[in-house]
Amino acid sequence: GESVGLHLPTLSVQEGDNSIINCAYSNSASDYFIWYKQESGKGPQFIIDIRSNMDKRQGQRVTVLLNKTVKHLSLQIAATQPGDSAVYFCAEKIKAAGNKLTFGGGTRVLVKP
Amino acid sequence: NAGVTQTPKFQVLKTGQSMTLQCAQDMNHNSMYWYRQDPGMGLRLIYYSASEGTTDKGEVPNGYNVSRLNKREFSLRLESAAPSQTSVYFCASSDAPGTATYEQYFGPGTRLTVT
Repeated sequence: GESVGLHLPTLSVQEGDNSIINCAYSNSASDYFIWYKQESGKGPQFIIDIRSNMDKRQGQRVTVLLNKTVKHLSLQIAATQPGDSAVYFCAEKIKAAGNKLTFGGGTRVLVKP
Repeated sequence: NAGVTQTPKFQVLKTGQSMTLQCAQDMNHNSMYWYRQDPGMGLRLIYYSASEGTTDKGEVPNGYNVSRLNKREFSLRLESAAPSQTSVYFCASSDAPGTATYEQYFGPGTRLTVT
C-alpha cells in the first residue's frame, strides 16, 4: 500500500510490550479529543475519544489520558500486537469551531516480532 | 451499510485538467468533510459542510470547490489541477441526528497525481 507520512516520528515496540503515543495540543478552548489509527493505504479509523471534562478513558486494550494543565494527550496500547502497526493521529475539536477536527502530524508505530 | 464511499480510487491528471472527486455516505450524517493528506503531514481540512445546503472553507481551500448535492453526497472539484495538488484525498462524515459524538468516519481515499 501507499506509504503515508514518510517523515513521521516512529515508535518501535516489541510485540507484547505496552506502547505510549504522545500528542501535544495548543488550544485551551479544545473540548473534545480523538485518536485515529491509519493503516497503509486506508482511511483513518476511530480508536477512542475523550471529552475535556475527563482525565482518562479506557477501551479495549487502549487508554487515553488527558492532562489539560500541560495540554497533553496520550494513547496507551496494552500488549501491542503486530496488527497495531500503523500511523496514529490525535485530533482536537475547538469549542467555538463547530464540529471540525484539527489533526496532529501523526506517529508511526512499528511492532517488532 | 457501506459507510463512506469515494470514487475514483486512483487518478492521474495533467496540469490544467479538471476533475471531480465523489463522496457519499449512508449513515444519515449531517456533516461532511474533505481532507488532503501529504507525506509527512497529518490531515488538512479543505472544505466542510456542516449540514445540507451549507459549505465552508477549511484550512487549505485554494484551488478547490465543493458541492453538497444532497444529504448523502459531497463532491470536491479541481478546476485546473496543479502538481501541488498531488495528494491523497479523504472524505469523512459525522454528526448523526440525536448523537453526541464528534467522531468522523472516513472513506478509503482517492490517490491523485498531477503531472
